[in-house]
Parts: sequence; structure tokens; C-alpha cells
Amino acid sequence: KQEVTQIPAALSVPEGENLVLNCSFTDSAIYNLQWFRQDPGKGLTSLLLIQSSQREQTSGRLNASLDKSSGRSTLYIAASQPGDSATYLCAVQSQAGTALIFGKGTTLSVSS
Amino acid sequence: NAGVMQNPRHLVRRRGQEARLRCSPMKGHSHVYWYRQLPEEGLKFMVYLQKENIIDESGMPKERFSAEFPKEGPSILRIQQVVRGDSAAYFCASSPGLAGPRGGNYEQYFGPGTRLTVT
Repeated sequence: KQEVTQIPAALSVPEGENLVLNCSFTDSAIYNLQWFRQDPGKGLTSLLLIQSSQREQTSGRLNASLDKSSGRSTLYIAASQPGDSATYLCAVQSQAGTALIFGKGTTLSVSS
Repeated sequence: NAGVMQNPRHLVRRRGQEARLRCSPMKGHSHVYWYRQLPEEGLKFMVYLQKENIIDESGMPKERFSAEFPKEGPSILRIQQVVRGDSAAYFCASSPGLAGPRGGNYEQYFGPGTRLTVT
């Protein structure tokens, strides 16, 4: 049974710092992995999707990497800003079209 | 292209009443997923539907919960005889499936959610 773990559960950093969020999954046979952002009381915004054949994806200040063999993904945020404060969720899809399995998220707080 | 739409955004029901949550997928998307986010817990899969078919309902509670995605109209998640433990945020996601680019696209796009409160 696939399980997704995110560490740390919470992170506080000053503005401008580069940071890394970690995601691990127990079954390396995945179809894709998505990183989402969730603001309090809001829905999910997809940040990056990495197909199983890819090693990384980049969007602006965000870079996500995937190492299937070790069951790990990282989300790198460069030059953090207060507007980055949110909960970041990692989710894996084991086969095409199946449900996403989510981690519990990392709540990020960036202070100005 | 409008995103995934859910209504109502907030729903208050008394114990024992029925709750109906609606989800309109993105245009061209034929796959719908429902997830539930309980307070202080992560998002959990409930059910996966395609038009007129339930593909996977392994995450649905055995009683009181049902879902449909008719040929016409939105997908409906129905909760009968609600209890306080049903209070949660319910999210719908859609994906294009095989109709997507490059022969298949299973990226899921989420709606804003319906926040159900049972009093």
C-alpha cells in the first residue's frame, strides 16, 4: 500500500532564504508525482507535475526533483517571499488514471 | 476555459439531513475524482468516476455515501443522514484522461472545495 510522508510538518524561514521541502513514498512504481499549494480555507493549486520518466521540473522560483529508485522528491523554493506562506502537498499517482495519494503536507511560513 | 467548479462552497446541515455536493469538471475532462479533507488530516481519496460509470469507490464509506456522474450535468456526491463526523472539506478534481494531449493526460485539476458543517 502506497504511503506518502512529508518532512518537516512545519517550517519557518526569513524572507529571501532558499529552502527545500521533502516528500518520500514507499512504492517506487509510480506514474507521476504532483506538488500542490493550499492556502488556508482554499482549494489546491497545482505547482509542478513530474512524470515517472522525468527527473525534475521547473517553474519560476520552484524546482521539483524526483528520484524514483529511492522513493523521494524534493521541492526547492528559491528566494522565498511572504507570499509563499502556505501548505505544500505532495501526491503520487501509482498508475495512469488512479487516485492521488497525498502526504499530510508541510506548512511554510515566510516572515518579512 | 473555466476551471473545476464546485457548489455550494459552504454547506451547513443538521444531523440526519442530506447533503448534495456538485462538481462540474473542466471542459473536455471526462474523469472526476472526489477527495475529503478532515480537520487536521490529509486529503483522502473517496471515489473515481467517468461518465455514467464508477471506476473506483474503494475510499467511500460503506454506508450513507454515494456518487454519480451522469451523461449530462455535474457529478454529485450525496451524503445521507449526515453526522458530525462528516464535517470536512470535500474536493473534486478532474482530468482529461485518454482524451488529453500526447495520448493521455492524467494530471488532476482541483476545484475550490465544498466545506460541509454538520451541526
